[in-house]
Amino acid sequence: GAGVSQSPSNKVTEKGKDVELRCDPISGHTALYWYRQSLGQGLEFLIYFQGNSAPDKSGLPSDRFSAERTGGSVSTLTIQRTQQEDSAVYLCASSLAGNSNQPQHFGDGTRLSIL
Amino acid sequence: QKEVEQNSGPLSVPEGAIASLNCTYSDRGSQSFFWYRQYSGKSPELIMSIYSNGDKEDGRFTAQLNKASQYVSLLIRDSQPSDSATYLCAVNLPGGSNYKLTFGKGTLLTVNP
Repeated sequence: GAGVSQSPSNKVTEKGKDVELRCDPISGHTALYWYRQSLGQGLEFLIYFQGNSAPDKSGLPSDRFSAERTGGSVSTLTIQRTQQEDSAVYLCASSLAGNSNQPQHFGDGTRLSIL
Repeated sequence: QKEVEQNSGPLSVPEGAIASLNCTYSDRGSQSFFWYRQYSGKSPELIMSIYSNGDKEDGRFTAQLNKASQYVSLLIRDSQPSDSATYLCAVNLPGGSNYKLTFGKGTLLTVNP
């Protein structure tokens, strides 16, 4: 079956612009996660969705970052007034349910470059 | 601070050898452990999950878990050049945030033909 799909695969934008990153999880997966991976760094948790609700937003680095999920499916991560330190690969993952026994499956990511 | 530690490598092994990748974690209550493989420029791919003490085998891969020592490892038998990648260890946080995984920074494995 189809895996986690992310778009765009690459995004280059100027500092100060807003960007939207999209994630389409595996069908039937109720849990969805956003991570960020910077060069030489580990995966950094950003936000967790269970259905359309986000019970854990603790990893969002600033109020310029927001995310939503609609229809229990597609999620959008929005970064407003982008800064150069926002440059990273943004990864989306989904799992069948939001508990420790369910492995998370990752999309191919969006490579974001802020000029 | 919840931590997952891995040797960054690079770990270099000849083709056909056994590659041993190690991971330690700080939270004694963690229950679920995952190994992901990440090729350069690609996303992490789940290769193994383990939840109980002991060994779990899947093809050429064996995961080993020792909760008393807070240690999880991945063995790759008959290593192939195509196994060359960064291997990420991921551990869940126990309790109410058990959906949340903490990742190590990964071990870079190079298998030489």
